Amino acid sequence: QVQLVESGGGVVQPGRSLRLSCAASGFTFSTYAMHWVRQAPGKGLEWVAVISHDGKTTFYPEFLRGRFTVSRDNSKNTLSLQMRGLRVEDTAVYYCAKDGWYMGEGGNFDNWGQGTLVTVSS
Amino acid sequence: DIVMTQSPDSLTVSLGERATINCKTSQSVFYSSNNKTYLAWYQQKPGQPPKMLLYWASTRGSGVPDRFSGSGSGTDFTLTISSLQAEDVAVYHCQQHYSAPYTFGQGTKLEI
Repeated sequence: QVQLVESGGGVVQPGRSLRLSCAASGFTFSTYAMHWVRQAPGKGLEWVAVISHDGKTTFYPEFLRGRFTVSRDNSKNTLSLQMRGLRVEDTAVYYCAKDGWYMGEGGNFDNWGQGTLVTVSS
Repeated sequence: DIVMTQSPDSLTVSLGERATINCKTSQSVFYSSNNKTYLAWYQQKPGQPPKMLLYWASTRGSGVPDRFSGSGSGTDFTLTISSLQAEDVAVYHCQQHYSAPYTFGQGTKLEI
């Protein structure tokens, strides 16, 4: 079965950087786009980034561009999110999620990891 | 960006009764080229990640019970739970997967 396991969360000071990882198993990782979605404490879901199955295309919401970078290593079945210039408002549980379409980008998320908590605080 | 608005924010329904949650999009999420509506629903139980229930507005995800159904067109959509079970207590989120940036509704908390 599909498994997605995030790691790398923790407490970080404003302005610092943090790198999250997601280890994928149970499916052919290189054939699916992958996403990051976050959820601030007690709040709704917010889409953060997508990377195509081959890693050639990425996209972010406007409010994050330039601070967050998504990447993947298909040889290691690993997804990453590099976060720079972190702000208090970036505090959230960060989920990696598998796209629902084979070799495309359906934009729906058919499997989710358990999430990793990032707390930005001085 | 497509704005998603759910109603109500919270809902209390008795066991065995029908639950209905609404979702409105700020623009159409229908692709005429393939006749598909790009609207998904997720269920999130306390302390758990979301689980996809429906995509393309009405197609159930793998293993989703048939008491969950989706309907609607244009910009107005509905998630219906036909006969509420205790395990359906959760927050329900709608999401448009028509175009990036993918956006979610604010969530609807369903209680018994």
